[in-house]
Amino acid sequence: KQEVTQIPAALSVPEGENLVLNCSFTDSAIYNLQWFRQDPGKGLTSLLLIQSSQREQTSGRLNASLDKSSGRSTLYIAASQPGDSATYLCAVIILTGGGNKLTFGTGTQLKVEL
Amino acid sequence: DAMVIQNPRYQVTQFGKPVTLSCSQTLNHNVMYWYQQKSSQAPKLLFHYYDKDFNNEADTPDNFQSRRPNTSFCFLDIRSPGLGDAAMYLCATSRGTGTGSNQPQHFGDGTRLSIL
Repeated sequence: KQEVTQIPAALSVPEGENLVLNCSFTDSAIYNLQWFRQDPGKGLTSLLLIQSSQREQTSGRLNASLDKSSGRSTLYIAASQPGDSATYLCAVIILTGGGNKLTFGTGTQLKVEL
Repeated sequence: DAMVIQNPRYQVTQFGKPVTLSCSQTLNHNVMYWYQQKSSQAPKLLFHYYDKDFNNEADTPDNFQSRRPNTSFCFLDIRSPGLGDAAMYLCATSRGTGTGSNQPQHFGDGTRLSIL
């Protein structure tokens, strides 16, 4: 059974810092990996999707890497801002006959302080 | 532009009283998913539809059922809600397999269900 772990569970940083969020998974037979952001009481916003054939993806100040063989992914946030405060979830994706199946980690709750 | 719309945002029901949550999408995606997310926990897949084909997760309680009358709409029915069913319920869509399998899932804002 696939297990996805995110470390740390919570993180507080001053504005402007660069930071790294970690995601590890136990079964490397994944198709893709996706990072999401979740604001309190809201749904999930997709940030980056890394295909299994890729090593990384970038969008603005965000960079996500994937190392399937070691079962790890990282989300790098450059020059953090208070607006980045949210919970960040990673999800590993496998293909099924009926669509994509996501297994989520429990998230890292990020607070960026002024 | 909301693409996956969940109604209502907040739902309160009584213990044991059936409740229905709804989800609609404007993306014309093949696949629609329902997730349950309890406080401080990861979202957990309950079931999904690929077109009209229903796929239930093995550990989804029988108390939870779903309907998809057309491409745009999908409903989550909880037949006899218990206190343990209080959670955020998230709907998501995706294009499905083939080239669509490399596209991300799109989520709605969720419905927060409370049980009295």
